[in-house]
Amino acid sequence: DGGITQSPKYLFRKEGQNVTLSCEQNLNHDAMYWYRQDPGQGLRLIYYSQIVNDFQKGDIAEGYSVSREKKESFPLTVTSAQKNPTAFYLCASKGGLNTEAFFGQGTRLTVV
Amino acid sequence: DAKTTQPTSMDCAEGRAANLPCNHSTISGNEYVYWYRQIHSQGPQYIIHGLKNNETNEMASLIITEDRKSSTLILPHATLRDTAVYYCIHYLSGNTGKLIFGQGTTLQVKP
Repeated sequence: DGGITQSPKYLFRKEGQNVTLSCEQNLNHDAMYWYRQDPGQGLRLIYYSQIVNDFQKGDIAEGYSVSREKKESFPLTVTSAQKNPTAFYLCASKGGLNTEAFFGQGTRLTVV
Repeated sequence: DAKTTQPTSMDCAEGRAANLPCNHSTISGNEYVYWYRQIHSQGPQYIIHGLKNNETNEMASLIITEDRKSSTLILPHATLRDTAVYYCIHYLSGNTGKLIFGQGTTLQVKP
């Protein structure tokens, strides 16, 4: 079945450590996105990529980094520079201009 | 950036129609309006989208005003399982490619 997969579902890290969240899709979508969601809040765009080897900052990119070496994969690294990394992270992919986005089930990151 | 405006929260009685409004005054001529919903701690789920005409599928109906600056999502017979946060967005065309979500509307369906 085609879809978008995020792993792991829950992740715990110590403060000061970098951590990488995985996002893989087999939908052959060009565009991929990372969002952060805090309790009771909407989705805020961190980074997005429209093609392989290219990506752009979203509204809250500070403290995060991404890569897009393959069409299927768009990993997000939460660096130690991110001051408040504990949050729910969502990855999405999208095909053409007028098609819907598909979301993964999210990764809940807790930094202690 | 393209932004939509939605009420923060709404209540609806079970079995009644839920009408969720959205303002999208910055929408451009070739952009569709999309609706998603998010049940707690899950990824958002696509509901419906439209360009100009009203649309209906097995989940909902979408009414878009003639000037395209606003739309209404209609859940015809709301159930308790429709309790969720509903997001209305429109896709930025051209080189930006952003998908910007607002705060959404929290719909509480009550028995």
